[in-house]
Amino acid sequence: QQQVKQSPQSLIVQKGGIPIINCAYENTAFDYFPWYQQFPGKGPALLIAIRPDVSEKKEGRFTISFNKSAKQFSLHIMDSQPGDSATYFCAAGGATNKLIFGTGTLLAVQP
Amino acid sequence: DAGITQSPRHKVTETGTPVTLRCHQTENHRYMYWYRQDPGHGLRLIHYSYGVKDTDKGEVSDGYSVSRSKTEDFLLTLESATSSQTSVYFCAISESILEGEQYFGPGTRLTVT
Repeated sequence: QQQVKQSPQSLIVQKGGIPIINCAYENTAFDYFPWYQQFPGKGPALLIAIRPDVSEKKEGRFTISFNKSAKQFSLHIMDSQPGDSATYFCAAGGATNKLIFGTGTLLAVQP
Repeated sequence: DAGITQSPRHKVTETGTPVTLRCHQTENHRYMYWYRQDPGHGLRLIHYSYGVKDTDKGEVSDGYSVSRSKTEDFLLTLESATSSQTSVYFCAISESILEGEQYFGPGTRLTVT
């Protein structure tokens, strides 16, 4: 029940494309769903986060879509750029703020 | 990296030796966390702290201990390092358990030979 399943494992898109990364969870006690971006040799950086009271959140070119009934959430990157090439992690947390992370998606945006 | 430093940044050690990793923050955040990152596993919580001298176990705590004697420092100790503890270790901090945002340090790459 504590798992967060993330797909795909890797993704290649052309510049300007819209990569979509999906995550699914089982524990209905989770109420905080962040996405982290990580570049090689760096720590993960918080990108955007959502709570279950909204179905979508946008910050710049990044959008989270949230489906509470399906227990799924996804990250969309609009007008993707080569600088977006990184590993993306979804996570889920609850009242204790202990995050459970997905296994990561390696995104490559080709020029 | 949100006022978080980790030391050392790289370490190679032998099986059976004790190892201590340090996380230092200048943000005065109450909550601190230690994660390990391994291919195919994402980030997994080892231990966390919710205040000075208040710590608790995460999902992969076996073989690790922690201490927090000051708000700014959170130490992770491998009592007797094993090859399975070869990993990249990240420290994270959080100001509020309600807000949820965790900010990560630059990481320590540990190799146990």
